[in-house]
Amino acid sequence: GAGVSQSPSNKVTEKGKDVELRCDPISGHTALYWYRQRLGQGLEFLIYFQGNSAPDKSGLPSDRFSAERTGESVSTLTIQRTQQEDSAVYLCASSPRPPKEVRYGYTFGSGTRLTVV
Amino acid sequence: GDSVTQMEGPVTLSEEAFLTINCTYTATGYPSLFWYVQYPGEGLQLLLKATKADDKGSNKGFEATYRKETTSFHLEKGSVQVSDSAVYFCALSDEPQNNAGNMLTFGGGTRLMVKP
Repeated sequence: GAGVSQSPSNKVTEKGKDVELRCDPISGHTALYWYRQRLGQGLEFLIYFQGNSAPDKSGLPSDRFSAERTGESVSTLTIQRTQQEDSAVYLCASSPRPPKEVRYGYTFGSGTRLTVV
Repeated sequence: GDSVTQMEGPVTLSEEAFLTINCTYTATGYPSLFWYVQYPGEGLQLLLKATKADDKGSNKGFEATYRKETTSFHLEKGSVQVSDSAVYFCALSDEPQNNAGNMLTFGGGTRLMVKP
């Protein structure tokens, strides 16, 4: 597609429920990243996918968080048993180059605003 | 570990004023530096970047120079417009370690409000 697409754009869920967030990267982009942006704060790295390699999960805050990506296509971020502190905007980004070509930067989606009540 | 520190906002300016948003960084390697902008209701957009010392990134009238000696990447614009109102994020990406991903490390963001 023309840009990185994320859905839903907004999600309100009850504490304890599971949620699934979706990211469609730009076609042909091999790298995909998930970040979390809490209100008034910077972005926290969550997870990174590069092609068919094992993902870098070092930023996931707890075992309630998981993410999948099939090849170089769609990725889903799943949060189980949501807590109020999970409320944030979840941003997805993709990049057309392997990790070493960082100078090309990333393209971000508009994010999913998650509110846990 | 890597970190980025930028001035806290909000920064409120009148139209045509001069803008500086300070950004300093700590990195273990030789990072690339970025400024991202987030307009209301939109995703982050890459504004400009610099990949080596003394490089100047520029776009839409904004500039930032990679200063290795002061580990800084301050964002400047000579004459701001109301349409520049947004949140600005400074970020770095360090050298890859063992083919790990080049995740970006972000500063906390600075909200700029430009009044007519």
